[in-house]
Amino acid sequence: GNSVTQMEGPVTLSEEAFLTINCTYTATGYPSLFWYVQYPGEGLQLLLKATKADDKGSNKGFEATYRKETTSFHLEKGSVQVSDSAVYFCALPVDGGATNKLIFGTGTLLAVQP
Amino acid sequence: GAVVSQHPSRVICKSGTSVKIECRSLDFQATTMFWYRQFPKQSLMLMATSNEGSKATYEQGVEKDKFLINHASLTLSTLTVTSAHPEDSSFYICSARASGDSTDTQYFGPGTRLTVL
Repeated sequence: GNSVTQMEGPVTLSEEAFLTINCTYTATGYPSLFWYVQYPGEGLQLLLKATKADDKGSNKGFEATYRKETTSFHLEKGSVQVSDSAVYFCALPVDGGATNKLIFGTGTLLAVQP
Repeated sequence: GAVVSQHPSRVICKSGTSVKIECRSLDFQATTMFWYRQFPKQSLMLMATSNEGSKATYEQGVEKDKFLINHASLTLSTLTVTSAHPEDSSFYICSARASGDSTDTQYFGPGTRLTVL
């Protein structure tokens, strides 16, 4: 089945710093790729997604580009805010959609300091 | 759009009692829902896949008689933790996949914090 490797945290940044959280994957074909965010004490929220190679997903200033050459889907934001402090999960389908299940990375804790 | 609710958000119960958690898709129909468990500072552990009108599919190591799942309609799935014990204390999160969605996107509920005394 497919797999995902995510950058370990925690990542600590000052407000307005540039953010990159690395995510690489192995997959059969070209599955959809996702970033989810989890704020303290809450469930996961879909942050962005890309459904085919070379697509760029974006939302709330975050971006990630589906790069098939490097099998990566790195999350970036040009200027982080304290309110971005959360855990970020990279995810993709387990098996090309046969079971509709997703496999998640281990999560990266981002702490933004004022 | 694509809102999923969970109820209750927090529950405390005595050991040996059963607890039911509801997961609802509020503005879309969900043929498939998923139940996860999350331990502190860890990723999500998939417990089972819930399909409307059929039996749930459990992941290896998850006791189906202990974690009863019912997906009675296209907008509601329930997880019942039977004869709960302290080791069942955890954060339970559901997600839903919209019927007809080919991208495998899952929309998550806000989670239920279960504490068994």
